[in-house]
Amino acid sequence: GAGVSQSPSNKVTEKGKDVELRCDPISGHTALYWYRQSLGQGLEFLIYFQGNSAPDKSGLPSDRFSAERTGGSVSTLTIQRTQQEDSAVYLCASSLDSTSGNTIYFGEGSWLTVV
Amino acid sequence: RKEVEQDPGPFNVPEGATVAFNCTYSNSASQSFFWYRQDCRKEPKLLMSVYSSGNEDGRFTAQLNRASQYISLLIRDSKLSDSATYLCVVRLGDSSYKLIFGSGTRLLVRP
Repeated sequence: GAGVSQSPSNKVTEKGKDVELRCDPISGHTALYWYRQSLGQGLEFLIYFQGNSAPDKSGLPSDRFSAERTGGSVSTLTIQRTQQEDSAVYLCASSLDSTSGNTIYFGEGSWLTVV
Repeated sequence: RKEVEQDPGPFNVPEGATVAFNCTYSNSASQSFFWYRQDCRKEPKLLMSVYSSGNEDGRFTAQLNRASQYISLLIRDSKLSDSATYLCVVRLGDSSYKLIFGSGTRLLVRP
């Protein structure tokens, strides 16, 4: 489809392992966001990419979290040495650019469970 | 204090009822406001933007009160399909790309 695509859709991992979550934004969208949503909670901003500008990493909760966006398109969110509190759904979103008039579109999320 | 606060609900209403949700935001520099809808285990989707003059989209009416820093959503003639969580969202003026989400208000519409 033409929407934001995320993989894996579900991931169960053991505490201490590393995980990589992938996001493929809508074609032509230069802005890309990662959010996290824990059970029953609102969305928590993690990181933002806009074109070739330096990303806004201000929402990353610890240095175990990192993200990159290669070629201005696909993004990967990496969580090292996962902890149980990392269990959440990780939502990626994209928009045409960063201007306030542009709607952001979310992917269906990657559901992470750390056991 | 959370930047965007909502009553978590749930609001349990019969079909056909009118229901209203409020949301308050703490940052007076906030520039843009939205309501998103999120179905269970699904991603959030934009329901409607909220404009200063108020706006209506079918059965849905959104209002903004900048002086009191709150936003409202009114749903008339509720349908079973309206059952979902409604997220209040604010975009800050000083970093216009970042959306701040409330925790959501859950609506259950019963037959």
